[in-house]
Amino acid sequence: GAVVSQHPSRVICKSGTSVKIECRSLDFQATTMFWYRQFPKQSLMLMATSNEGSKATYEQGVEKDKFLINHASLTLSTLTVTSAHPEDSSFYICSALGTSGGYNEQYFGPGTRLTVT
Amino acid sequence: GEDVEQSLFLSVREGDSSVINCTYTDSSSTYLYWYKQEPGAGLQLLTYIFSNMDMKQDQRLTVLLNKKDKHLSLRIADTQTGDSAIYFCAESKAAGNKLTFGGGTRVLVKP
Repeated sequence: GAVVSQHPSRVICKSGTSVKIECRSLDFQATTMFWYRQFPKQSLMLMATSNEGSKATYEQGVEKDKFLINHASLTLSTLTVTSAHPEDSSFYICSALGTSGGYNEQYFGPGTRLTVT
Repeated sequence: GEDVEQSLFLSVREGDSSVINCTYTDSSSTYLYWYKQEPGAGLQLLTYIFSNMDMKQDQRLTVLLNKKDKHLSLRIADTQTGDSAIYFCAESKAAGNKLTFGGGTRVLVKP
């Protein structure tokens, strides 16, 4: 149980276009999902916390107009990178907050590799 | 602010024990985690420890926490080639809260 999927797993887009990444909790409901960004050989940096039915909370330095987050249902959050530029190329990982043995745990998706040309 | 640091690389022979170290600065960290990331994949939670614990053992994994020194370690006994991966330590203030990750330690297991 507690499986999180991401779609697509890999995407290449041209500069100036927008790309949407989906994060789904497959076998549980998640009122909270998190979006992280990982540069090559570096750690994960939290971009924003996505709450179902309300606006996302962005971390300092993350442009909310560039990285649009929509958490429209209890099993789906989307991250849209608008007007993408090569510096947005990165590995984007989402996690969904679930419960295991009465304990809240983040379950991570497999990640989406975005390349902007 | 929060800061979590790890050494970058560890090389170990198959069958030996691996020890990965992590230090953190925020004394209000309540939960400390170890995650494993294989190439091109997401994160897999290996284990976690509450800040009021000193040690936790789970099969081949042993976590030691020195709260006074804000030092966390993960020991992998009988390391296998399948253990080659990047290992991240992370902290949070409460279960389910946002995670602050260390930079990751790349572990290479040599046959």
